Amino acid sequence: DSGVTQTPKHLITATGQRVTLRCSPRSGDLSVYWYQQSLDQGLQFLIQYYNGEERAKGNILERFSAQQFPDLHSELNLSSLELGDSALYFCASSPGPQVGITDTQYFGPGTRLTVL
Amino acid sequence: KNQVEQSPQSLIILEGKNCTLQCNYTVSPFSNLRWYKQDTGRGPVSLTIMTFSENTKSNGRYTATLDADTKQSSLHITASQLSDSASYICVVIGVWAGGGADGLTFGKGTHLIIQP
Repeated sequence: DSGVTQTPKHLITATGQRVTLRCSPRSGDLSVYWYQQSLDQGLQFLIQYYNGEERAKGNILERFSAQQFPDLHSELNLSSLELGDSALYFCASSPGPQVGITDTQYFGPGTRLTVL
Repeated sequence: KNQVEQSPQSLIILEGKNCTLQCNYTVSPFSNLRWYKQDTGRGPVSLTIMTFSENTKSNGRYTATLDADTKQSSLHITASQLSDSASYICVVIGVWAGGGADGLTFGKGTHLIIQP
């Protein structure tokens, strides 16, 4: 158990809908990262927040948005869903703002999103 | 463009045998390289972190090597066990001005199956 929690575990929805994925980081971690992992694809970095502020942005679609709240939990909002958005969405956390030599990312169990 | 290539894509070996997974990267300048183990449907878990000056690092039956000159790393698994069945992901962290997670480049992973 990494200490990172994600809800829900599974989500099934229809095209065009909007969903919210939730992540609680490990106690004491200030950075939260969101990743997408599609079938046969590697982990794709979406976005990072550090202490409530956006820190780094990856290949995140305009239909997707995220935020980190004062209690440090984070939500990833996916809207106007398409079939291709079906994937595993992982949240990770780390203590500091930089993924440096000593700063390990701890991954949550993921949310499996299925868009029908 | 920064890239991380892993080989083989998939591998099947018998329990008790050894195996070696490869990772070639083009990330430059280079900060550190990580190997993660990802069980099916679970989040990745860090196995090793190697800096520019390290050639070999072990974690139990897992031994990672790094040749920063040729930009190659390998993960050697000794006396494989059924629980080693997983995907192994190579992640290379560049020396990035911002220091955020957009400095990470992920490989697509090697899918390893251990057969009894």
